Amino acid sequence: EAGVVQSPRYKIIEKKQPVAFWCNPISGHNTLYWYLQNLGQGPELLIRYENEEAVDDSQLPKDRFSAERLKGVDSTLKIQPAELGDSAVYLCASGPQGQGTQYFGPGTRLLVL
Amino acid sequence: GENVEQHPSTLSVQEGDSAVIKCTYSDSASNYFPWYKQELGKRPQLIIDIRSNVGEKKDQRIAVTLNKTAKHFSLHITETQPEDSAVYFCAVRMDSNYQLIWGAGTKLIIKP
Repeated sequence: EAGVVQSPRYKIIEKKQPVAFWCNPISGHNTLYWYLQNLGQGPELLIRYENEEAVDDSQLPKDRFSAERLKGVDSTLKIQPAELGDSAVYLCASGPQGQGTQYFGPGTRLLVL
Repeated sequence: GENVEQHPSTLSVQEGDSAVIKCTYSDSASNYFPWYKQELGKRPQLIIDIRSNVGEKKDQRIAVTLNKTAKHFSLHITETQPEDSAVYFCAVRMDSNYQLIWGAGTKLIIKP
């Protein structure tokens, strides 16, 4: 069974530019999460989807971050415009609905110059 | 809200010895407690989890124990090997919104 797929794996952009990350969850997993992880720290939840509905986006900086999961399967996280402080690893995770179990993708390492 | 504390922040053990990492939580309604292993530059990997209706769970060299009364749970790794070197995170699932609250992580170093 394929795991969570993310692309790109690495991205380098200049500040004020837009950037987008893509995630394809494990087949059958209704719940999808986007996390941000800074070096030496634990993951920080940005948004959680149940199917196509964003049920927890309280930690998402909505002035510059947006996300979508239109068909309840794959998802895109966007930053526009990017700031220097957005440099981090962006992790996507998925899990069966209602169980809390989460499986992570390899992440996208973002560097904003 | 839920608060998760993880100790120690760094643990260095001799290869072959056991390692124990402990997490405490504050919300007695929390009901799911996973442990993740993260090697440098890699994704967090779920290694073991336990639910609130179970006191202990074991999988080969790793085990997790849960004390609901004291609100703490621990990861036990026996016969440690060099490949066990990583950062280990505990997490607690809040029953109210299914969000995972993460510990700060423990860097485990296995000395040869």
